[in-house]
Amino acid sequence: ETGVTQSPTHLIKTRGQQVTLRCSSQSGHNTVSWYQQALGQGPQFIFQYYREEENGRGNFPPRFSGLQFPNYSSELNVNALELDDSALYLCASNPASGRTHNEQFFGPGTRLTVL
Amino acid sequence: RKEVEQDPGPFNVPEGATVAFNCTYSNSASQSFFWYRQDCRKEPKLLMSVYSSGNEDGRFTAQLNRASQYISLLIRDSKLSDSATYLCVVNRNTPLVFGKGTRLSVIA
Repeated sequence: ETGVTQSPTHLIKTRGQQVTLRCSSQSGHNTVSWYQQALGQGPQFIFQYYREEENGRGNFPPRFSGLQFPNYSSELNVNALELDDSALYLCASNPASGRTHNEQFFGPGTRLTVL
Repeated sequence: RKEVEQDPGPFNVPEGATVAFNCTYSNSASQSFFWYRQDCRKEPKLLMSVYSSGNEDGRFTAQLNRASQYISLLIRDSKLSDSATYLCVVNRNTPLVFGKGTRLSVIA
């Protein structure tokens, strides 16, 4: 196992609601990235946090926001949920430096269904 | 055009077969290259990094051609347990950029 944990495992929401997803990164990793994986697609980068600051963002609207805490755990918040937000949300952590700094380790994901 | 393109698959092969996956990427600034494996309804897991010199890990061989912006993965002596989706991944600075994945089914 990677040591990256996510909660909850599954979630069902309705359109217009708000959701918060949580991630605990692997010990020693100070960088966390979030990805959205729709059915039949590869994961798409949402944003990355490094030492509590946003460090890059993909092509997602502002209603997708995040936080990273001093212990490097992270949250993904999505406001005004839309049907197309239904997906597997993956959190990945990596050390910011060193030989393996580009290798990201994924948590098991949160499967979000928007009805 | 997608930044990372893969054979759409699915590939259905008998046990023991050799199978090759191809991938192209469009951004010449890409710095690192990987193959990830993803089982059904699970998270992606790193299979191997890909280097310009090529690298091998048991039955798996990965190749990178920077001039052609092309990455490949060869699986020899396929096992039933190799059945999964294989994701071609490139990295430039911050995010990983994933291909859509190629589904492999190894049949007994």
